[in-house]
Amino acid sequence: EPEVTQTPSHQVTQMGQEVILRCVPISNHLYFYWYRQILGQKVEFLVSFYNNEISEKSEIFDDQFSVERPDGSNFTLKIRSTKLEDSAMYFCASSVRNYGYTFGSGTRLTVV
Amino acid sequence: AQKVTQAQTEISVVEKEDVTLDCVYETRDTTYYLFWYKQPPSGELVFLIRRNSFDEQNEISGRYSWNFQKSTSSFNFTITASQVVDSAVYFCALSEPTTSGTYKYIFGTGTRLKVLA
Repeated sequence: EPEVTQTPSHQVTQMGQEVILRCVPISNHLYFYWYRQILGQKVEFLVSFYNNEISEKSEIFDDQFSVERPDGSNFTLKIRSTKLEDSAMYFCASSVRNYGYTFGSGTRLTVV
Repeated sequence: AQKVTQAQTEISVVEKEDVTLDCVYETRDTTYYLFWYKQPPSGELVFLIRRNSFDEQNEISGRYSWNFQKSTSSFNFTITASQVVDSAVYFCALSEPTTSGTYKYIFGTGTRLKVLA
């Protein structure tokens, strides 16, 4: 069964540092997403990406965040200057159509 | 606005008991999808089921069953003869169309299920 792969599984970073979370979506999928889950809370939508541009973003996705599909296979989420409150599990997802995602196993980001 | 409510924060049962996790949703859309995910302690989201709004048939998969009732906007999940391995947080989610034509998921706050041996 095809998988969405996320690396690293756990990242620790200093406050103020830039961090890039990486995802390899399923190869024939066209829609890409990032979600965030602060520890003990619900999963929240950050951004969707289609046709090489952001199609929708939430109010959480401010100027500190950016996404990119640099080479046609990877899909990255960059946080420019991390804050303590960015500590969370970040999930990447992809889909063929605009519903019915496959989620990756997540990257746990800890900002210290 | 779309909303998903999982009123049960935490449920504890003894192994072999049946348990039902409740999910109530709100949506303006006539076409939508509902989902259940399991999140074990390792943290990943494990897909359990997707249901579209036009299919109200109940579904059974092994020890799992789902009861979808549009009249009450509910999509409840029952585990029969629970096992310790069922211990996890379970999330209900609703797809919401966005202005760009894509869909995003609205998740409930989750129900933590503890199955005691």
